[in-house]
Amino acid sequence: ETGVTQTPRHLVMGMTNKKSLKCEQHLGHNAMYWYKQSAKKPLELMFVYNFKEQTENNSVPSRFSPECPNSSHLFLHLHTLQPEDSALYLCASSQRLAGGYNEQFFGPGTRLTVL
Amino acid sequence: LAKTTQPISMDSYEGQEVNITCSHNNIATNDYITWYQQFPSQGPRFIIQGYKTKVTNEVASLFIPADRKSSTLSLPRVSLSDTAVYYCLVGDAESNTGKLIFGQGTTLQVKP
Repeated sequence: ETGVTQTPRHLVMGMTNKKSLKCEQHLGHNAMYWYKQSAKKPLELMFVYNFKEQTENNSVPSRFSPECPNSSHLFLHLHTLQPEDSALYLCASSQRLAGGYNEQFFGPGTRLTVL
Repeated sequence: LAKTTQPISMDSYEGQEVNITCSHNNIATNDYITWYQQFPSQGPRFIIQGYKTKVTNEVASLFIPADRKSSTLSLPRVSLSDTAVYYCLVGDAESNTGKLIFGQGTTLQVKP
């Protein structure tokens, strides 16, 4: 595997379910990110991790719970979601945590549908 | 982070050169300009980045005038596979937040 991988690619869940999204980067990067992309909306940054430590929570509801056990893996735990949480969830990584001068490498995303 | 403005959509035909202009009137001294490309149901992909004048790589060119209040992404001889959303981002090279702020982007439709 190369680059940034995400599993599953598609997920359908009920509002009472608990599920997890997984992201793995094979690039040796130190920073990882979760983004949400709803239909016809710009990407929204959700969480930022640097060397496994969370550095940014962009006012994300607590029904989304991130976990970063090491610099290569990032999880997004989901519970009691709402239909409006249906979106494409994208994971990204970068060599270092920097604003305008780092290239972020994105995974293919998980298409989530909440019924 | 400087706000950017770019056209919502553009149409082109195969073989043509496409220029997408992005306005960033409040760009700061330390800001770099970066363009990403996103195909449907995929994550964005870095295309090109620059600070001033002209930058060229195997995919595109980026033109930045002296005042840096705008930038133009140039795609030479587009093909159908260049149909995608193109995002212009402006960010502080000195910042250590990792934040990238994506706008609506420009949806480019390349027709045969």
